[in-house]
Amino acid sequence: EAQVTQNPRYLITVTGKKLTVTCSQNMNHEYMSWYRQDPGLGLRQIYYSMNVEVTDKGDVPEGYKVSRKEKRNFPLILESPSPNQTSLYFCASSLGTDMNTEAFFGQGTRLTVV
Amino acid sequence: QQQVKQSPQSLIVQKGGIPIINCAYENTAFDYFPWYQQFPGKGPALLIAIRPDVSEKKEGRFTISFNKSAKQFSLHIMDSQPGDSATYFCAAGWEAQKLVFGQGTRLTINP
Repeated sequence: EAQVTQNPRYLITVTGKKLTVTCSQNMNHEYMSWYRQDPGLGLRQIYYSMNVEVTDKGDVPEGYKVSRKEKRNFPLILESPSPNQTSLYFCASSLGTDMNTEAFFGQGTRLTVV
Repeated sequence: QQQVKQSPQSLIVQKGGIPIINCAYENTAFDYFPWYQQFPGKGPALLIAIRPDVSEKKEGRFTISFNKSAKQFSLHIMDSQPGDSATYFCAAGWEAQKLVFGQGTRLTINP
């Protein structure tokens, strides 16, 4: 089954404690991205990756890091989480063509930073 | 401007009614306009999408109307059902795989 898998689904952590949210896709997609979803703000892109070892900032990258060492994986790293990073996070992947195509989203990770 | 403005924030419609959700954009470089549907506890999923060379696209009970000159597009749901209750996001895309999303509309269809 074609899917994007995020882990964990729920996470409560304390301010300053480094954490990683994993994302994996099995569709051989080149393009992957991370979004955060906050009430009234929709989905805002944090980082994206056009291919292995190619990453770039989205609209709200501050406080986040990513890496793309393998095509299927795109982890999101919070080196020193703060309460304003409490949010619902989604990973997405899509084909890396020169036209926009369907983005497939994971189930989401609800992060609470206390 | 990369913003996409979506309205209303929430919408309640009786079963069988036709909810309409509107989006407006500024950047004329946008060339892909999808709508995503999100159920509680799930990630968004593509519902329907349109490119600016057509003014309307219909898939089942869902229709996108696109007005290029006004830089607006909207989603209509015909014969709405309680199972259509969800949050709907419009988006606009440009270049390869870049998307900006609207703020979302929480739709409730009452039985």
